[in-house]
Amino acid sequence: DAMVIQNPRYQVTQFGKPVTLSCSQTLNHNVMYWYQQKSSQAPKLLFHYYDKDFNNEADTPDNFQSRRPNTSFCFLDIRSPGLGDAAMYLCATSRGGTPSTDTQYFGPGTRLTVL
Amino acid sequence: GDSVTQMEGPVTLSEEAFLTINCTYTATGYPSLFWYVQYPGEGLQLLLKATKADDKGSNKGFEATYRKETTSFHLEKGSVQVSDSAVYFCALRGTSYGKLTFGQGTILTVHP
Repeated sequence: DAMVIQNPRYQVTQFGKPVTLSCSQTLNHNVMYWYQQKSSQAPKLLFHYYDKDFNNEADTPDNFQSRRPNTSFCFLDIRSPGLGDAAMYLCATSRGGTPSTDTQYFGPGTRLTVL
Repeated sequence: GDSVTQMEGPVTLSEEAFLTINCTYTATGYPSLFWYVQYPGEGLQLLLKATKADDKGSNKGFEATYRKETTSFHLEKGSVQVSDSAVYFCALRGTSYGKLTFGQGTILTVHP
């Protein structure tokens, strides 16, 4: 089945130690997104790639970076994780095209713990 | 800007009860509307969607109708099951590319 895959499902890191989260997709979608979801809150968009074009949300901290080396993979890098960065990180993909009808499909998420 | 308001929860029901979760939105233009479901410890799963006024989305017994005149997209199910216990998010996708705007989520608990 075509899907969005996130690895690892659970990640533990230390305060200030860089960490990378991974997302891959077999849907051959043009757009990939990273969301942050803190406990009992709605997901918050951090950034997205449309093909190779990177689009950062205005309020995404500089501590968060992303890379998309090819169509299938996208990475989220947190350069110096703080305690406030502990959250579920959700990757999503969409085909692209007309914005109002484009549908996003989510992966299972990576739960990040910062010690 | 775009916004989504969901009924305040949590919602607790007995099995086979009727479910309604209210969702209203504010947006310019003609957004698409979605319901996503999130089971404990999991990502979001698309439950249903509607892309234009009067469209009805349906899946797994859940339904929602895009009502432009009342700017609403209420989720309904005639007979809930224990396995429907989850968090439900209403969301809209406007004409601005990239962002899904989510409601605050509604926790549904169904007891046997």
